[in-house]
Amino acid sequence: GAGVSQSPRYKVAKRGQDVALRCDPISGHVSLFWYQQALGQGPEFLTYFQNEAQLDKSGLPSDRFFAERPEGSVSTLKIQRTQQEDSAVYLCASSSYGEATRNTIYFGEGSWLTVV
Amino acid sequence: RKEVEQDPGPFNVPEGATVAFNCTYSNSASQSFFWYRQDCRKEPKLLMSVYSSGNEDGRFTAQLNRASQYISLLIRDSKLSDSATYLCVDAFYSSASKIIFGSGTRLSIRP
Repeated sequence: GAGVSQSPRYKVAKRGQDVALRCDPISGHVSLFWYQQALGQGPEFLTYFQNEAQLDKSGLPSDRFFAERPEGSVSTLKIQRTQQEDSAVYLCASSSYGEATRNTIYFGEGSWLTVV
Repeated sequence: RKEVEQDPGPFNVPEGATVAFNCTYSNSASQSFFWYRQDCRKEPKLLMSVYSSGNEDGRFTAQLNRASQYISLLIRDSKLSDSATYLCVDAFYSSASKIIFGSGTRLSIRP
């Protein structure tokens, strides 16, 4: 597709369940970001990849959160033993160059996670 | 102090009015700034980049004040369709890209 694609769009998980969220960036985009957005808040940075290298994971809230991009294209954000405070929209974004700060980043529609 | 701070609003203004909001940033080394627009239950979309010299795109004007470390967005002749949340973005490049969003300013245009 032409844009950033995320799946699933909506996920309801029971507390303690593991979830995996997938991001398919725009083809050829080098940079990939994951953000977490709680209701009424701006997107909070989680992690950043340049190709397959995870250059920054400082925003991951705990060791229950893990992200990978093994072949430098599709990325997966995994949340283990989900808790209610993990309920949020998880946004994936990509950008064409390594210096993503100088170029537009494009967002997917997000994966809406509700932990019950 | 948060890295990027915005007045959350909401700003509620009549159609046709001019509205402006600011965003302050804490990193003096920051180089690139953007305004994104986010509609309810949608993803953020780029509205405009913010250049040192200021830039204008139709009814929208963005300015950067490095001395005071804030950026601004001015919307003239506001339309109902301008109702959205406006997110300020601070992007600074070091060894890795880090793009920080403000919490957003909610704008509601009334008929």
